[in-house]
Amino acid sequence: DVQMTQSPPALSASVGDTVTITCRASQGIGRWLAWYQQRPGKAPKLLIYKASTLETGVPSRFSGSGSGAEFTLTISNLQPEDSATYFCQQFETAPLSFGGGTKVQI
Amino acid sequence: EVQLVESGGDLAQPGGSLRLSCAASGFDINSYAMSWVRQAPGEGLEWVSTIIGGGDKTFYADSVKGRFTISRDNSNNIVSLQIDNLRAEDSAIYYCAKAQSPTLWVPAFDYWGQGTLVSVSS
Repeated sequence: DVQMTQSPPALSASVGDTVTITCRASQGIGRWLAWYQQRPGKAPKLLIYKASTLETGVPSRFSGSGSGAEFTLTISNLQPEDSATYFCQQFETAPLSFGGGTKVQI
Repeated sequence: EVQLVESGGDLAQPGGSLRLSCAASGFDINSYAMSWVRQAPGEGLEWVSTIIGGGDKTFYADSVKGRFTISRDNSNNIVSLQIDNLRAEDSAIYYCAKAQSPTLWVPAFDYWGQGTLVSVSS
């Protein structure tokens, strides 16, 4: 099974900052990676799929990069509504698997 | 508009059973893989099960294999998860999720329901 490791587990930043979250896979997964945002008490929301493709309606301050086993999610010009937990997910190999999450506090 | 609405979560005893349902609207569930993903309180996301679109092939996490059964009612656009022999570690919010692509059996998820809470305790 593919293990997904996110870092850092949590971070604190200010409005207007740029933050980067890293996701590492235990083996190469090509670009079969998605990023989700989960606000407290809500379901996850798809932000990015295939490593760098922005889901429709997601603000352009969110961006993804990477391939193989290392990926990043970058949030530019951080906004108060970006306070949430972010998860990566690989969908290259069954069983699909999620990272442990990164809590972003504004 | 795509919507997923889960129901069936409850407080149940260890060894008991529950049946979760996910009513879908705005798309045909037979055209997409449909999955259940769970999240224990304060924890991360754990994939549970998937049923592929256009067929009956199903997949399960090792932690639930033999106890959980996923199924689909195409006529009513409902996906169900039968949970038997409940364990304390099954306590979680259970989300129904739609595959983003109709061709992927191991998908990313573009729509999620609001979740239904399963609590297992004596």
